[in-house]
Amino acid sequence: DVKVTQSSRYLVKRTGEKVFLECVQDMDHENMFWYRQDPGLGLRLIYFSYDVKMKEKGDIPEGYSVSREKKERFSLILESASTNQTSMYLCASRTESGVAGGRRYFGPGTRLTVL
Amino acid sequence: GENVEQHPSTLSVQEGDSAVIKCTYSDSASNYFPWYKQELGKRPQLIIDIRSNVGEKKDQRIAVTLNKTAKHFSLHITETQPEDSAVYFCAASGPGTYKYIFGTGTRLKVLA
Repeated sequence: DVKVTQSSRYLVKRTGEKVFLECVQDMDHENMFWYRQDPGLGLRLIYFSYDVKMKEKGDIPEGYSVSREKKERFSLILESASTNQTSMYLCASRTESGVAGGRRYFGPGTRLTVL
Repeated sequence: GENVEQHPSTLSVQEGDSAVIKCTYSDSASNYFPWYKQELGKRPQLIIDIRSNVGEKKDQRIAVTLNKTAKHFSLHITETQPEDSAVYFCAASGPGTYKYIFGTGTRLKVLA
């Protein structure tokens, strides 16, 4: 059974702080993703990584960066947190490497509040 | 770019009735269409998916239909049960890409 874990379920930070959200998967998946989930907007892709040290911007990358130094770990970084980054953040990994589409395995989510 | 519209945003049905959720996509090259279910406080999980070379797929009480000409696909849940209450997301993905575009979600409530 694939396990995707995230470092925190709930996080409260102050405006201007640097925030790290970490995600770990245990199934040797090459591809990993960070999504943001907001009511009425669905899941929007922030960044994805198709391999170690490889990354690509998603649909809403502004204000975020990512790091993937090891295959199993994908970190989302908010360089200077702002109140409009208050949201639920979901990490996912992907099987069927090399095949378009493919199933996403999601982590439990981190609800981030920026005050 | 690709856009996916999902309707309705909320849906209430009586237990035992059927529920239908519809999604429309804009990119005719899209070829993979998954559906995810997210129960309250839990992570989204894949419940069914379909590729563009197939018109319909069933798995027990759930089915997905695809109309490539009209560029829409639908999730059908029959004999609904209270545990079907959740938010359902559709998505579309094109060839040669790892990216999905998700719909905005449908909150399904099954009334006992």
